[in-house]
This record gives sequence, C-alpha cells and structure tokens, in this order.
Amino acid sequence: DIVMTQTPLSSPVTLGQPASLSCRSSQSLVHSDGYTYLSWLQQRPGQPPRLLIYKVSNRFSGVPDRISGSGAGTDFTLKISRVEAEDVGVYYCMQASQFPRTFGQGTKVEIK
Amino acid sequence: QVQLQESGPGLVKPSQTLSLTCTVSGGSISSGEYYWSWIRQPPGKGLEWIGYIYYSGSFYYNPSLKSRVAISVDTSRNQFSLRLSSVTAADTAMYYCARENVLERTHIAPTYYFYMDVWGKGTTVTVSS
Repeated sequence: DIVMTQTPLSSPVTLGQPASLSCRSSQSLVHSDGYTYLSWLQQRPGQPPRLLIYKVSNRFSGVPDRISGSGAGTDFTLKISRVEAEDVGVYYCMQASQFPRTFGQGTKVEIK
Repeated sequence: QVQLQESGPGLVKPSQTLSLTCTVSGGSISSGEYYWSWIRQPPGKGLEWIGYIYYSGSFYYNPSLKSRVAISVDTSRNQFSLRLSSVTAADTAMYYCARENVLERTHIAPTYYFYMDVWGKGTTVTVSS
C-alpha cells in the first residue's frame, strides 16, 4: 500500500495569514497513464469530507481560488493564501493512483 | 444534484455482521463514469478506504479488510451495500458512502479523474454487546 504522510499534524494560523500543508507519498503517484491522482479534501467539524483539489492542482467546483495545490512525484502541497474562519477543519490528502486508495492522517487547521 | 444517504443499524454486537446501504438519488448508479465506495472513520481518527463497486458488479476491496468485506450493488433500487462480518470494537466508526468520479467520456478520448466528489453524511456504527 502507498503510505501518505502529512505534516504538520496541526497548523494554528492567524486569520488573513497563509497556511501551507504538506503531503508525502511512500512511492511515486505518477500513474501509468502519466497523470498523478492526488486529491485534497477538507473535513469541517461534524461534516463529511469535501473535495477541494484533484489531480494535484485542479480546483473543484465552488472552491475559492485562495486554495491551491501543487507538487509532483511524491511531494505535494496545499496552500491557503489567506486563511478565513470557514477554513477551520482537518485536511486530508488522498492518492488514487493505485489500489487500495489511501489517505494521509490529516492536518488540523485552527485559528490562533 | 446527486446525493448519497447511508442507512443501517447503529449498533452491532461483536462477532456479528455489519450491514449498511447507500441510496443514490438525483442520478443513476448505472452510469459508467463512477465507482461507488465505502470509507470509514473511527472516532477521532482519520479516513480508511474500504472498497468500491462498479455498476456492473466488479469491485475492489482494501486488502486489510478483504476477508470480511462484501460490497454489492442493486441497480434497480439505485443502491449499493456494505457487509462487514465478524466485527469487533475496532470496527466502531462513522461509515461514509462516496462516489468516485472515474472518467468523463469525450469525442476524442476519455479523461480520467479518480476523485471522490460526492459523499453521504455518514452513519455511526458502534460495535458493542
């Protein structure tokens, strides 16, 4: 199985300041078709996960442009340019380049 | 707008079988563009992928649960179901069903996505005597 490791586990951020979340995979996520199937999901307290980013850097419908994804191979980053109160929650990276699908352990974003 | 809704018993006794159903509304489960998946989340912990089923009946299970898991699909009812046998307290979790968007067919060639874009609200299952 591909192991997904996220850092930090907790990220206290001041409102209006940026946040950067890291995700590393135990092996390359480049699929045999040449694409990289790495997603980011947000889970607000008491809610199911919500898709933010797919295929490393593609913003899903309705996701604000202050949220962006980048990376390649085994190293990926989610950035929030200016953290707002609605961004509080746990962020998970997930790989879908191989079965079984695997998730990172999550990074908790909270307001200082 | 496609919606998913989990249903099933909230309490299961140890060694028994957990059974949940996910009802799909606002779209057809027989669409060839999606995998229909189960994911679980123990209290205070992260997400674990259980497996998926395709409308045709093909499936893939997480090897860590493979010996105890069965996922089935009922296209006539637009539902898919999870059965997890021989449960223990370690199976206590929030269980989510989700749709994995696999591909979009275009006139040139399919574009693959493999992302989970629709989730149910989840159902809590507790294993306890």
